[in-house]
Amino acid sequence: AQSVTQPDIHITVSEGASLELRCNYSYGATPYLFWYVQSPGQGLQLLLKYFSGDTLVQGIKGFEAEFKRSQSSFNLRKPSVHWSDAAEYFCAVGGSGNTGKLIFGQGTTLQVKP
Amino acid sequence: DAGVTQSPTHLIKTRGQQVTLRCSPKSGHDTVSWYQQALGQGPQFIFQYYEEEERQRGNFPDRFSGHQFPNYSSELNVNALLLGDSALYLCASSLNGYETQYFGPGTRLLVL
Repeated sequence: AQSVTQPDIHITVSEGASLELRCNYSYGATPYLFWYVQSPGQGLQLLLKYFSGDTLVQGIKGFEAEFKRSQSSFNLRKPSVHWSDAAEYFCAVGGSGNTGKLIFGQGTTLQVKP
Repeated sequence: DAGVTQSPTHLIKTRGQQVTLRCSPKSGHDTVSWYQQALGQGPQFIFQYYEEEERQRGNFPDRFSGHQFPNYSSELNVNALLLGDSALYLCASSLNGYETQYFGPGTRLLVL
């Protein structure tokens, strides 16, 4: 079955601290992987994506993610968190076998302490 | 360059009624996908429209239907509304459905 698991429902970090949000996926074909961010009451904004090539991808707002096929993971990282990063983060998987169907995880809520 | 737009932003309906939500894709995009996001959950894929036809469908009942117009805009229709249909409905557009999906701000539907 195709699925995405985000093990951490809620994470709290101090401003300036580093951040890692975990994402594990189950997908039968070659996965396309995405991280989106959602502020309260808003739609989803794309942070970064992985289709192929270099397994370390850079995104907007200083975020990066690393694709590890052997671990079926695509963890999101940021070296220094800003208060404006507080939001909900979603990992999603799609692929050539599913065209536009994205499968999302349940999301991780990030709280930033001053 | 306008992004994905959706209307209305909020909507309140009662059980048994019907609702129509609208979406205009990002300029240059020809594919529209619809997602339902219940409170505290990740978005769930409803269906995708390409070349005015439903190309793929998620696990949603036939009460959920859609349409795509020649200008690539799309509508989502839900009949016989249930309390459980209360959610944020997100529209996403892409090119051919193979490229990255860009999301609109959503329509929040409340069914009483």
